[in-house]
Amino acid sequence: GAGVSQSPRYKVAKRGQDVALRCDPISGHVSLFWYQQALGQGPEFLTYFQNEAQLDKSGLPSDRFFAERPEGSVSTLKIQRTQQEDSAVYLCASSSGTAYSNQPQHFGDGTRLSIL
Amino acid sequence: AQTVTQSQPEMSVQEAETVTLSCTYDTSESDYYLFWYKQPPSRQMILVIRQEAYKQQNATENRFSVNFQKAAKSFSLKISDSQLGDAAMYFCAYRSAGTASKLTFGTGTRLQVTL
Repeated sequence: GAGVSQSPRYKVAKRGQDVALRCDPISGHVSLFWYQQALGQGPEFLTYFQNEAQLDKSGLPSDRFFAERPEGSVSTLKIQRTQQEDSAVYLCASSSGTAYSNQPQHFGDGTRLSIL
Repeated sequence: AQTVTQSQPEMSVQEAETVTLSCTYDTSESDYYLFWYKQPPSRQMILVIRQEAYKQQNATENRFSVNFQKAAKSFSLKISDSQLGDAAMYFCAYRSAGTASKLTFGTGTRLQVTL
């Protein structure tokens, strides 16, 4: 596609519900990143995929957060038993390079998640 | 761990004037990349300019240029001939050259452009 596509754009869920956020990267991009951006803050790294392999998940805040990219293209970020502190914008980025490449990351518009 | 600090929560500039946004970072590494991203209300992070730490020459992209001071660990962004479309949040970001390429962002500077 022309750019990184994320859906839904907005998601409202009740505390305790599970949610799934989707990222469709630029076609052919090897690397995919998830970031969490709290209100008034800069994005913070969550996890990184190179093709289908999750090479870094050091930023995931708890075991309620799970990400996958089974076929090396579309990725899903799942949050189980959501809590109010999970409210944030979730940004996805993709890059044509691998982990050590200096290719830039291209970002999607993000999903704004609100937990009531 | 690396940290990125943006000490100016908000800045304002008149159209056609020049403004400088500040960024400092802390790292023990010698090889890394620095970026400035723009985030308009649409939320999409747009790459404005990037600098490789091994390059002494400051990067420029049209009206955007940086002042990279490696010893001082400073990386400021200068926007010349400011336009209304430059109004946005600006984030400074760091990326290590030696590990998986996650970005570490600062807290951002909101730039207002007035007539």
